[in-house]
Amino acid sequence: AQKVTQAQTEISVVEKEDVTLDCVYETRDTTYYLFWYKQPPSGELVFLIRRNSFDEQNEISGRYSWNFQKSTSSFNFTITASQVVDSAVYFCALRNGGTSYGKLTFGQGTILTVHP
Amino acid sequence: DAMVIQNPRYQVTQFGKPVTLSCSQTLNHNVMYWYQQKSSQAPKLLFHYYDKDFNNEADTPDNFQSRRPNTSFCFLDIRSPGLGDTAMYLCATSRVGVSDGYTFGSGTRLTVV
Repeated sequence: AQKVTQAQTEISVVEKEDVTLDCVYETRDTTYYLFWYKQPPSGELVFLIRRNSFDEQNEISGRYSWNFQKSTSSFNFTITASQVVDSAVYFCALRNGGTSYGKLTFGQGTILTVHP
Repeated sequence: DAMVIQNPRYQVTQFGKPVTLSCSQTLNHNVMYWYQQKSSQAPKLLFHYYDKDFNNEADTPDNFQSRRPNTSFCFLDIRSPGLGDTAMYLCATSRVGVSDGYTFGSGTRLTVV
């Protein structure tokens, strides 16, 4: 069975603060993919990043960065210098890699509110 | 530019009255998914189509059905909606053999009254 846990239900920060969203996963597969999605109030899920289990390199994209650590089964997401437009629900998700498609298992989501 | 389009954006239906939600894609992806997302919860997979092969999740209620008449379209039919079926319904697509992310539509917010 696979499981994704996002320990923080809600986070509230003031603009320009850095914020880290935690994600811990469980899977028995050796090949798997991890994702982060952003869900603004309009409802669509916006893809942010995909990581496969063989690639532990951290990634930075603008103000976003991701820290993948297999040893602790974590895939944390940091927003540097947060902005009001970052306010959304953020989901971490896992897909087992046995096939090249399939079910995404989502964490419960973290509601991020960035205040001006 | 929208690549996965869901209609309608909002739907209100009466308890027990059948309702159909629509999803279309311009990506030519062979896999299409339907997720249900209740308020303040994570999306939950209902079923998916791999080409014409239908794959139901074990805990998806029988009340939920799906049709995929061609590559571009996929429908979600709720035969007798209950109040507990009020949720956002998200359609997504992916392409077999390519380990990309999934492309999600904007969702249909269904309210059962």
